[in-house]
Amino acid sequence: TQLLEQSPQFLSIQEGENLTVYCNSSSVFSSLQWYRQEPGEGPVLLVTVVTGGEVKKLKRLTFQFGDARKDSSLHITAAQPGDTGLYLCAGGGDYKLSFGAGTTVTVRA
Amino acid sequence: GAGVSQSPSNKVTEKGKDVELRCDPISGHTALYWYRQSLGQGLEFLIYFQGNSAPDKSGLPSDRFSAERTGGSVSTLTIQRTQQEDSAVYLCASSVGWGGNTGELFFGEGSRLTVL
Repeated sequence: TQLLEQSPQFLSIQEGENLTVYCNSSSVFSSLQWYRQEPGEGPVLLVTVVTGGEVKKLKRLTFQFGDARKDSSLHITAAQPGDTGLYLCAGGGDYKLSFGAGTTVTVRA
Repeated sequence: GAGVSQSPSNKVTEKGKDVELRCDPISGHTALYWYRQSLGQGLEFLIYFQGNSAPDKSGLPSDRFSAERTGGSVSTLTIQRTQQEDSAVYLCASSVGWGGNTGELFFGEGSRLTVL
């Protein structure tokens, strides 16, 4: 089983602040996905990164895949209350995605 | 809607009873997954179905757990003789093809199981 560690586990910030969530593993992944899950709902895909060193931007969210394809980060600029949720990273190598435990982000208005 | 549908959304049962959880995937999606999410934990892979291939059951935690997929569409996850440690949210997901590498998994809202 490929393990993904996410940090921090919890993050509470004020609206307008920036935040970064990390996803680390000792294993190499062919791709890495980030999902966001809101209470009572299933996770929803935000982005997939496949190339080492790749950076993808989705509005105020910036995702980076490490050069060695073992780690990733998610940076949110000027966070808004609507960004509140559980952020999950998931590593792919075959059809079984390995998920991290998630980072619970709370953005206070 | 056209999303993944799961039922029941909530199930409370007594220890030792059997439960069935249902998943109706997105039409045309050949891959179907079951994951379990416990409080404070990530998603734990349970089982994977792909078309007519033999399912990958390697994630099922014990022989009390079983799943089937009829006609390549609807899937049922059955837990026999439930235990308190089975309490969790059971998530179903489907994808167009292999999914796990670069494809997107579409998740249902989950079935929350509470075993008293």
